[in-house]
Amino acid sequence: GAVVSQHPSWVICKSGTSVKIECRSLDFQATTMFWYRQFPKQSLMLMATSNEGSKATYEQGVEKDKFLINHASLTLSTLTVTSAHPEDSSFYICSARDHRGGSGELFFGEGSRLTVL
Amino acid sequence: RKEVEQDPGPFNVPEGATVAFNCTYSNSASQSFFWYRQDCRKEPKLLMSVYSSGNEDGRFTAQLNRASQYISLLIRDSKLSDSATYLCAVQNTGGFKTIFGAGTRLFVKA
Repeated sequence: GAVVSQHPSWVICKSGTSVKIECRSLDFQATTMFWYRQFPKQSLMLMATSNEGSKATYEQGVEKDKFLINHASLTLSTLTVTSAHPEDSSFYICSARDHRGGSGELFFGEGSRLTVL
Repeated sequence: RKEVEQDPGPFNVPEGATVAFNCTYSNSASQSFFWYRQDCRKEPKLLMSVYSSGNEDGRFTAQLNRASQYISLLIRDSKLSDSATYLCAVQNTGGFKTIFGAGTRLFVKA
């Protein structure tokens, strides 16, 4: 299946700093990528849809100025958590659809576990 | 009401048991449906897509009931390695958004 790679897999930072997470589609081009967040024992919550060459579409309740998304190429989307606070500590997962075949299922990156001290 | 709802469980079953999970969705316009498996602290991995005609993959059978807006997953002959959280996912028209249920936890014990 399609491969999506995410980096870093885990990060610990101080409150107030910014953290950038990268998501790459390794063997296909992804015009659209999706960013999810998952708190312990909870569902994956869609944060935003990242669109190559245009602005991301954010879900209701997600602050676009806090979670900056850049999708500058067909294989790379980045999520920057700005001025991170302890409540931003979570598991952030990116995903993409491989339009070449299949039934439209999402392929996920390995996830990035963020801990804000 | 949540867009996608699942019984969180946990389901505790012995090896060899048959277990079934259900998932309901609220958007009648949803077009594509999936079951994912998520192991602890890992990303979700696709288990199977769910088709209107139902589909089977080895010990796993998925069913879709559009009229009642629910999907199901049946696991036969449970293995210890089946222990995980099972997420149902519903995709809207055009596949631009996929919404996940909260997951159902399964523990298979020897």
